[in-house]
Amino acid sequence: GQNIDQPTEMTATEGAIVQINCTYQTSGFNGLFWYQQHAGEAPTFLSYNVLDGLEEKGRFSSFLSRSKGYSYLLLKELQMKDSASYLCAVYNFNKFYFGSGTKLNVKP
Amino acid sequence: DGGITQSPKYLFRKEGQNVTLSCEQNLNHDAMYWYRQDPGQGLRLIYYSQIVNDFQKGDIAEGYSVSREKKESFPLTVTSAQKNPTAFYLCASSLATGVGETQYFGPGTRLLVL
Repeated sequence: GQNIDQPTEMTATEGAIVQINCTYQTSGFNGLFWYQQHAGEAPTFLSYNVLDGLEEKGRFSSFLSRSKGYSYLLLKELQMKDSASYLCAVYNFNKFYFGSGTKLNVKP
Repeated sequence: DGGITQSPKYLFRKEGQNVTLSCEQNLNHDAMYWYRQDPGQGLRLIYYSQIVNDFQKGDIAEGYSVSREKKESFPLTVTSAQKNPTAFYLCASSLATGVGETQYFGPGTRLLVL
């Protein structure tokens, strides 16, 4: 089967840095995606890793270690609008497998 | 503007009734997907299609049916066999190159049972 684990909920302060972890055990791997989803809305794409290492996109960075089945999403200079759920998804054999998501609460 | 549209935004189903959720995209994507999301949960795959006139079951296909007669359209029917249909339904599309391609999501349809 496919198993993707993320923490259920995290809280951080405005202006701080937060790291959201994702571990996966899947029968194959063709890439890992991070999505942001605000309550009641559709997910929007944040980042994609297929090779080991760090991908940086403005305030957001994502890291992948394929040998460890591990990824993290790093959010810097947190803003109130970053309060949302963050979904980790593994792409494998034409399908995406999603974790349950991490709800991030940003407090003033 | 290119994108994915879903309709309706809210849908009510009565006991024993089949309902169809619409999904249309003008991104020229070959692959299309249907997901179900329950409160506080991640996305679970219902059906997906990589090419016109072909589709495969996802992890929770029971009680659902789809068709893919046109590249742009991938409607989902929630049948009366689906005993717990209340959920948020998301349609997505992507290129189908065999490597990871970004999925783009429609705005979703919230299905409620009367």
